[in-house]
Amino acid sequence: EAGVTQFPSHSVIEKGQTVTLRCDPISGHDNLYWYRRVMGKEIKFLLHFVKESKQDESGMPNNRFLAERTGGTYSTLKVQPAELEDSGVYFCASSQDSRREQYFGPGTRLTVT
Amino acid sequence: GDSVTQMEGPVTLSEEAFLTINCTYTATGYPSLFWYVQYPGEGLQLLLKATKADDKGSNKGFEATYRKETTSFHLEKGSVQVSDSAVYFCALTAYSSASKIIFGSGTRLSIRP
Repeated sequence: EAGVTQFPSHSVIEKGQTVTLRCDPISGHDNLYWYRRVMGKEIKFLLHFVKESKQDESGMPNNRFLAERTGGTYSTLKVQPAELEDSGVYFCASSQDSRREQYFGPGTRLTVT
Repeated sequence: GDSVTQMEGPVTLSEEAFLTINCTYTATGYPSLFWYVQYPGEGLQLLLKATKADDKGSNKGFEATYRKETTSFHLEKGSVQVSDSAVYFCALTAYSSASKIIFGSGTRLSIRP
């Protein structure tokens, strides 16, 4: 069974540009989560989807970030326009239900120059 | 709010040395506690967990005991191997928000042969 996959593994963009990160959860997992680790600090929760609905988006830092999960399968996280402080590693996770183990992807390293 | 504090790294040990990585938490109610590990080039993996006071989580020779009186969940291993080199994250989920994982800042562990 394939795990959680994320694309790209690494993205380097200039300040002001747009980047879209993609996450493919484990098949059959209705719950999908986004987290990020900035500047080697703690990993912080961004948001939680149940199927295509946003269950909790309390961790989204500002309106430059837009997450979608059309059709309840893969998810995208768009940053527009990117700022220097957005640099970090963005992790995606999925789970069968919200109280079961979350399985993480390898992360996307975003560098904004 | 809920938070996790873990010892800062990097930590460098010789093979077969004893390992302790300290972790303390702040949470209302009765959180579940976790240690996650990220090996080079891979995603986060759940290493072990404990869901109530005095529970001991264990896996791959690592152990951690849920100590409510000291609000701690220290990670220990009696004899580390080079293959244990990774970044270790202490984490919790609060009962009121079980889907949101709250992480510590991570501790990078390097084991020299």
